[in-house]
Amino acid sequence: SQQGEEDPQALSIQEGENATMNCSYKTSINNLQWYRQNSGRGLVHLILIRSNEREKHSGRLRVTLDTSKKSSSLLITASRAADTASYFCATDAGFGGGTSYGKLTFGQGTILTVHP
Amino acid sequence: DAGVIQSPRHEVTEMGQEVTLRCKPISGHNSLFWYRQTMMRGLELLIYFNNNVPIDDSGMPEDRFSAKMPNASFSTLKIQPSEPRDSAVYFCASRGLATNEKLFFGSGTQLSVL
Repeated sequence: SQQGEEDPQALSIQEGENATMNCSYKTSINNLQWYRQNSGRGLVHLILIRSNEREKHSGRLRVTLDTSKKSSSLLITASRAADTASYFCATDAGFGGGTSYGKLTFGQGTILTVHP
Repeated sequence: DAGVIQSPRHEVTEMGQEVTLRCKPISGHNSLFWYRQTMMRGLELLIYFNNNVPIDDSGMPEDRFSAKMPNASFSTLKIQPSEPRDSAVYFCASRGLATNEKLFFGSGTQLSVL
């Protein structure tokens, strides 16, 4: 079963609006990552947040992490048509010994459509 | 850097045939992952290697699937015999100590088993 579950499954907005996607997970994690996938392509890493962090920013992206609720959110501000893609959260449960080179488990993804 | 290179890009085969998917990770990366993506099941982790050693193959569907990593620059995923339900996009991804734990994905192999 998937570790992460994204919500909503699909999101349709107008250019300039903000897009918020949520991710819930079940087990303890070392870090949580967000990836983007354009149709027919491989996934591309967007941002990583560690279990001891609560919020992180990168350009128009803002990620929050609430380990008590086992949830994360990805906010894309001032969306553009080029942001149209599928967005996935991935959890890294670590590998013991303090390293995080464990397996990355992906959720089902949110399909974001931004209309020009 | 050329990124993670997968071949072939597309593969169409008949049920019962052997299929071999290939992956060249980014030079210097020491972890390699094989994922399968379908509409119904999303992205499933099949197996991952650290330093060429298989760490977790619990996602490999059944004995028909096997994966090898004979050296740091090459990995194969083999399906023998293939079945129509194996049709999916298979992704290879790698990461290294210097990449802040993020994965770099290849473009995938679109497999169709008729």
